[in-house]
Amino acid sequence: DAKTTQPTSMDCAEGRAANLPCNHSTISGNEYVYWYRQIHSQGPQYIIHGLKNNETNEMASLIITEDRKSSTLILPHATLRDTAVYYCIVRVAWVNRDDKIIFGKGTRLHILP
Amino acid sequence: AAGVIQSPRHLIKEKRETATLKCYPIPRHDTVYWYQQGPGQDPQFLISFYEKMQSDKGSIPDRFSAQQFSDYHSELNMSSLELGDSALYFCASSLAEGANEKLFFGSGTQLSVL
Repeated sequence: DAKTTQPTSMDCAEGRAANLPCNHSTISGNEYVYWYRQIHSQGPQYIIHGLKNNETNEMASLIITEDRKSSTLILPHATLRDTAVYYCIVRVAWVNRDDKIIFGKGTRLHILP
Repeated sequence: AAGVIQSPRHLIKEKRETATLKCYPIPRHDTVYWYQQGPGQDPQFLISFYEKMQSDKGSIPDRFSAQQFSDYHSELNMSSLELGDSALYFCASSLAEGANEKLFFGSGTQLSVL
């Protein structure tokens, strides 16, 4: 069963903020929200992750709702190079052990010139 | 910074042949994951290794096997190749230390079975 639901595709004008939503209504207390992206035929690239607080790094911001049932990835100033498939993933956080990532369908983001 | 290295970048094989894909994780990373991505599909988890032991298994065909060596590099062996095995194969690595570590992916091996 899919743990996350994302729009199939989205468009965003270059230079604008791209806001990608994700629903994860069945998320457990020990699951993090991760975002990866895959630019055509390249290896998936880590963007950001968070548990319950909003997070920001050099690539993006992650806003998680208070009930943790949904989140939004924000690319503040989208460029043509941000055109990619964006995957929202929930993943259990273990201590001293790692776990695989399961990719769902993702959102195909088109940045328009 | 060093990244995950996969070889070869491209591989062409014929049906029923065998193929070996190699993955060199980021230095100090102890966990390796293999993924298969068919044309127009999302990456599918195949198998993972932690400290040279198989740690998890996904939808990996019985014709495929993999192992992680003492230097932490990993090899995916594929026998009796079928046309449907044509795909992009990604390897990822991580360091299983602390919680919620990131997976870093290689550039992939494009396997074409003719």
